[in-house]
Amino acid sequence: DGGITQSPKYLFRKEGQNVTLSCEQNLNHDAMYWYRQDPGQGLRLIYYSQIVNDFQKGDIAEGYSVSREKKESFPLTVTSAQKNPTAFYLCASSISRRGLRLFGQGTRLTVV
Amino acid sequence: ILNVEQSPQSLHVQEGDSTNFTCSFPSSNFYALHWYRWETAKSPEALFVMTLNGDEKKKGRISATLNTKEGYSYLYIKGSQPEDSATYLCASQGGSEKLVFGKGTKLTVNP
Repeated sequence: DGGITQSPKYLFRKEGQNVTLSCEQNLNHDAMYWYRQDPGQGLRLIYYSQIVNDFQKGDIAEGYSVSREKKESFPLTVTSAQKNPTAFYLCASSISRRGLRLFGQGTRLTVV
Repeated sequence: ILNVEQSPQSLHVQEGDSTNFTCSFPSSNFYALHWYRWETAKSPEALFVMTLNGDEKKKGRISATLNTKEGYSYLYIKGSQPEDSATYLCASQGGSEKLVFGKGTKLTVNP
């Protein structure tokens, strides 16, 4: 079955560590996105990519980095520069710019 | 950044009731309006994307309308069932790739 797989489901990070969240899709979608959810707020865009080897910053990119070496994969690294990384992270993809986003099940990151 | 507002923030209805909620968005530079349903412990599920003023979309007992001139969309659920309990998100898309999401309307349907 086609879909988006995020891993891990839960992730704990010590302060000062970088961690990488995985996002894989087998839908042959060109566009992929990373969102962050905090309590009481709407989903906010971190980074997005419309094509392999290209990506753009979203509204809250500071302290994050991404890569898009393969069409299927769009990993997100939360760096030590991100001052408040504890949040729920969602990856999504879409077949086109106007297309509905298909979401993964998310990764909950907690700084300990 | 666009400002997308959803109301009400939460809603409790009885099984069998019909209900509706609102998404307000800036009408300038409009490109598309998305609706998603997000059940607890699951992925957000895509419902509709609408682009033209006057668009109406339907999926089972759920339907949505769009008014781009005044900047609002309504989501309707006919004969609510407990399985409809979820948070309903709308997102406005301007002239770029980005979606701006509202905070959602949390619907609880009591049996």
